[in-house]
Amino acid sequence: NAGVTQTPKFQVLKTGQSMTLQCAQDMNHNSMYWYRQDPGMGLRLIYYSASEGTTDKGEVPNGYNVSRLNKREFSLRLESAAPSQTSVYFCASSEAGPDYGYTFGSGTRLTVV
Amino acid sequence: AQTVTQSQPEMSVQEAETVTLSCTYDTSESDYYLFWYKQPPSRQMILVIRQEAYKQQNATENRFSVNFQKAAKSFSLKISDSQLGDAAMYFCAYRSAFRNKLVFGAGTILRVKS
Repeated sequence: NAGVTQTPKFQVLKTGQSMTLQCAQDMNHNSMYWYRQDPGMGLRLIYYSASEGTTDKGEVPNGYNVSRLNKREFSLRLESAAPSQTSVYFCASSEAGPDYGYTFGSGTRLTVV
Repeated sequence: AQTVTQSQPEMSVQEAETVTLSCTYDTSESDYYLFWYKQPPSRQMILVIRQEAYKQQNATENRFSVNFQKAAKSFSLKISDSQLGDAAMYFCAYRSAFRNKLVFGAGTILRVKS
């Protein structure tokens, strides 16, 4: 099915461990995004990539790094996980124009213990 | 920076009745787009409806319609003939015509009673 694919769907990490969340889209979208969702705070932008080869910080980038590997793939890395990074993470993609909404992946529930 | 406020953490509606979810936003820009997303328990984010700021006519999609008041910076979602499948978290979101980012509100949980 066309869309945005995120892996894994669930993950438990110990404090200090590292991991990479993977995201791939097959809609030929230029722009890709990583959000985190926390209760009472909606979705907050971590990083985004307006086009292949570019990345920019969003609202809450601390503790994360990203890589736009190619037009299809945009990964999010936690170098040293902290309990404050326990959240649901969403990857999304969109056409470049502002009148388009986003297409979201199904999310990754990450728990850091 | 733009902000989006959803002042109702939770709402309830009886099946077949109408409910309105509130959203206000703060921006100094004149060209932008507004969205409502639905997130059911499956966690999937689903686009419900979209409104262009330069269009005065309110957007409608079947049972979903919006009341867009640009001067008041208000963008409410009306769900008519509510169904059990409408139960979800609803997010209001703003996207500037000049910036490539969606800004979300905190969300409203909608419960539908049978």
